[in-house]
Amino acid sequence: GENVEQHPSTLSVQEGDSAVIKCTYSDSASNYFPWYKQELGKRPQLIIDIRSNVGEKKDQRIAVTLNKTAKHFSLHITETQPEDSAVYFCAASKNYGQNFVFGPGTRLSVLP
Amino acid sequence: EPEVTQTPSHQVTQMGQEVILRCVPISNHLYFYWYRQILGQKVEFLVSFYNNEISEKSEIFDDQFSVERPDGSNFTLKIRSTKLEDSAMYFCASSLQESQYFGPGTRLLVL
Repeated sequence: GENVEQHPSTLSVQEGDSAVIKCTYSDSASNYFPWYKQELGKRPQLIIDIRSNVGEKKDQRIAVTLNKTAKHFSLHITETQPEDSAVYFCAASKNYGQNFVFGPGTRLSVLP
Repeated sequence: EPEVTQTPSHQVTQMGQEVILRCVPISNHLYFYWYRQILGQKVEFLVSFYNNEISEKSEIFDDQFSVERPDGSNFTLKIRSTKLEDSAMYFCASSLQESQYFGPGTRLLVL
């Protein structure tokens, strides 16, 4: 079955710097890759997603890139702010209605 | 903006007891899911539900688990005889297509 790995497990950046989180997946049939932000004790919140027919997607300070050949995708956050501090999870799935396989998460700390 | 809701927010139960966790998915969504998250760990898939039947389930979702959509709005997860290792946060999610939206979760503690 699908296996999703995520690096780094923890990441500390200074406010205003960029943060990059990388995920790799194993199943070449996976075609949808969402990113979730989870603050302590709260629900995972969808922040951006990308489909396999697209190489890059951007939404304000957040962008996601996908390399299908290498089977990896990355989350880029620019101009980080303290409120970006949270655990970020990547996930992969094969089609809508299918289960998500989540990565183990990255704890991002943005230091003021 | 519509959101997935879940009740209760917290549930404490004795080992061996039955629990029912309730979810109200976003009203026009077609796919429904249950996930669990053990404290400090990643989110794990339990089951997906579409057109009034289970479409996929994981190894975690054994005979002790069942799901139901008893009416047009609720989606429930039942654990028949809880075990200590069932203690976790249980998230319901729903989707219209790929994008899944999560509820706030029910924290289940089995003593």
